[in-house]
Amino acid sequence: TQLLEQSPQFLSIQEGENLTVYCNSSSVFSSLQWYRQEPGEGPVLLVTVVTGGEVKKLKRLTFQFGDARKDSSLHITAAQTGDTGLYLCAGSINTGGFKTIFGAGTRLFVKA
Amino acid sequence: NAGVTQTPKFQVLKTGQSMTLQCAQDMNHNSMYWYRQDPGMGLRLIYYSASEGTTDKGEVPNGYNVSRLNKREFSLRLESAAPSQTSVYFCASSEPTGLNEKLFFGSGTQLSVL
Repeated sequence: TQLLEQSPQFLSIQEGENLTVYCNSSSVFSSLQWYRQEPGEGPVLLVTVVTGGEVKKLKRLTFQFGDARKDSSLHITAAQTGDTGLYLCAGSINTGGFKTIFGAGTRLFVKA
Repeated sequence: NAGVTQTPKFQVLKTGQSMTLQCAQDMNHNSMYWYRQDPGMGLRLIYYSASEGTTDKGEVPNGYNVSRLNKREFSLRLESAAPSQTSVYFCASSEPTGLNEKLFFGSGTQLSVL
């Protein structure tokens, strides 16, 4: 069974603080995606990382794919209240067609 | 551009009732999916359709049926709803590009089975 474990499950921080969310698995993925989900809405893709060791930046968000393509991290610098939401990692495996599995998510609350 | 549209947004059923969740996408994607989202368990795949005319079971298919009506539409049916099917349901579509797959999600259906 392929599992993606995210940590922490919940995070409550003050505006301006930095944070890191982790996504770990024993499986090797073709790619890994990070999604953000707001209440009452579906997840929206933030970024896809494909190459082991790859680092991508999206404004204050930095995403890294592990060298072995089994894990990833999301780092947010100087969090803002608008960053509040559920962050989901998802790993894709190419088995002829794509199979995507999701982590349980990290619920982030940024206080003003 | 509407993307992925799901109906209804909310639904309450009694145990044993049936219903169909509707989903349509206007992005000309081949692949469509139904997921359920439960607290602490992330998104779990119920059924998917890699192309028009094909459907396959996902991780948690029991108690559900699907129909890929055409390229745009993919419906999910609960024949006899059970309380364990209380969840938030998401439809998604995708078009693989190279080594990855970008999923586009609808806004979800919150279903309660009493």
